[in-house]
Amino acid sequence: DAGVTQSPTHLIKTRGQQVTLRCSPKSGHDTVSWYQQALGQGPQFIFQYYEEEERQRGNFPDRFSGHQFPNYSSELNVNALLLGDSALYLCASSPGQLHSGNTIYFGEGSWLTVV
Amino acid sequence: GQNIDQPTEMTATEGAIVQINCTYQTSGFNGLFWYQQHAGEAPTFLSYNVLDGLEEKGRFSSFLSRSKGYSYLLLKELQMKDSASYLCAVETGGSYIPTFGRGTSLIVHP
Repeated sequence: DAGVTQSPTHLIKTRGQQVTLRCSPKSGHDTVSWYQQALGQGPQFIFQYYEEEERQRGNFPDRFSGHQFPNYSSELNVNALLLGDSALYLCASSPGQLHSGNTIYFGEGSWLTVV
Repeated sequence: GQNIDQPTEMTATEGAIVQINCTYQTSGFNGLFWYQQHAGEAPTFLSYNVLDGLEEKGRFSSFLSRSKGYSYLLLKELQMKDSASYLCAVETGGSYIPTFGRGTSLIVHP
């Protein structure tokens, strides 16, 4: 049973560039959430995708956008990169129905460094 | 908004017991998660509490007091592999999206 997989694992970008990160959810899961985790901080919720639409969004600017494909995989795009965007980007998957105690399963993350 | 507070760092000795506290202030509280995250790895689920009281799961137990906005994670018979960051996350009704605290880095030494 494949867990949540993310790519790439590490990447370095220059300020102003754009980046795309990819995620495949755990088998049987159809909801994908993205989190940003800065060094020494907890994960911060960016947005969640379900049925190919953004269902909920955290407090992140429009430079952060995403997409979900029919096979439930997802992409996170960040435009006009800033130094402060350097972080670990975590993808998490869960079953579709929103309910209490819905455990989310995280991928290993993509380490983004902006120079 | 939500405010979640946990100690930044704790140290303990192998074989001992350690309690990691988490206090929160939020509206619409639904439940509370604990996750473990080893350095450079993904967070992994440990527990979810929705009712007051203690829930035991092997060496790990989690406690919740809804009226006090307080939870703790209790780790018994500490092992070196328990060195990790422990994340407290609060779930609110409606969104069901957990909001994470900054985590407590636990260092277990021989």
